[in-house]
Amino acid sequence: AQTVTQSQPEMSVQEAETVTLSCTYDTSESDYYLFWYKQPPSRQMILVIRQEAYKQQNATENRFSVNFQKAAKSFSLKISDSQLGDAAMYFCAYRRGETSGSRLTFGEGTQLTVNP
Amino acid sequence: KAGVTQTPRYLIKTRGQQVTLSCSPISGHRSVSWYQQTPGQGLQFLFEYFSETQRNKGNFPGRFSGRQFSNSRSEMNVSTLELGDSALYLCASSLVPTGNKGYTFGSGTRLTVV
Repeated sequence: AQTVTQSQPEMSVQEAETVTLSCTYDTSESDYYLFWYKQPPSRQMILVIRQEAYKQQNATENRFSVNFQKAAKSFSLKISDSQLGDAAMYFCAYRRGETSGSRLTFGEGTQLTVNP
Repeated sequence: KAGVTQTPRYLIKTRGQQVTLSCSPISGHRSVSWYQQTPGQGLQFLFEYFSETQRNKGNFPGRFSGRQFSNSRSEMNVSTLELGDSALYLCASSLVPTGNKGYTFGSGTRLTVV
């Protein structure tokens, strides 16, 4: 079974600084997708960024980028120029390849605090 | 474009009762998945529906069931509620199950069992 581990229950960062959230996963599959979701107090899970395992290039979305190390099974999220609105719980998630449906396996989450 | 709508937002039920939660996906989305979120177990997959058919089911007892209607709206039902069923229940939708662009989640239904 696939597992996703986020070893940092809590992280904090100063506004405008950069922070990196860690995520490791375990799978024997070669075709899969990885996601970072953000859950603010409003409870809605918001997709931050996604990465296809077959792509070597790291995904980026504005201030958010990932460091995808397939051999090490590592998928960290870097938030640059942190803003107060980035404060939330962040979840790393894994999904098997194309034919495997939509089941997401989530990590335990990292609570990010942004200090003004 | 309306997002994923879950109703009700909050619910309080008594142990032993049953409950039905509703999820309306984004217009045009035909895949709906359900997750249970608790402080102790985190986010766990319940089931997935596509075109009114259950495609995947997580490791939950038979008291948890669901269905999807022809308009893609989905309901999940929990019978004989237990205190441990208290959780945030999240619904996610996508065009098709293999939603490569990710899944859009609703704001959830907070269920409290007393």
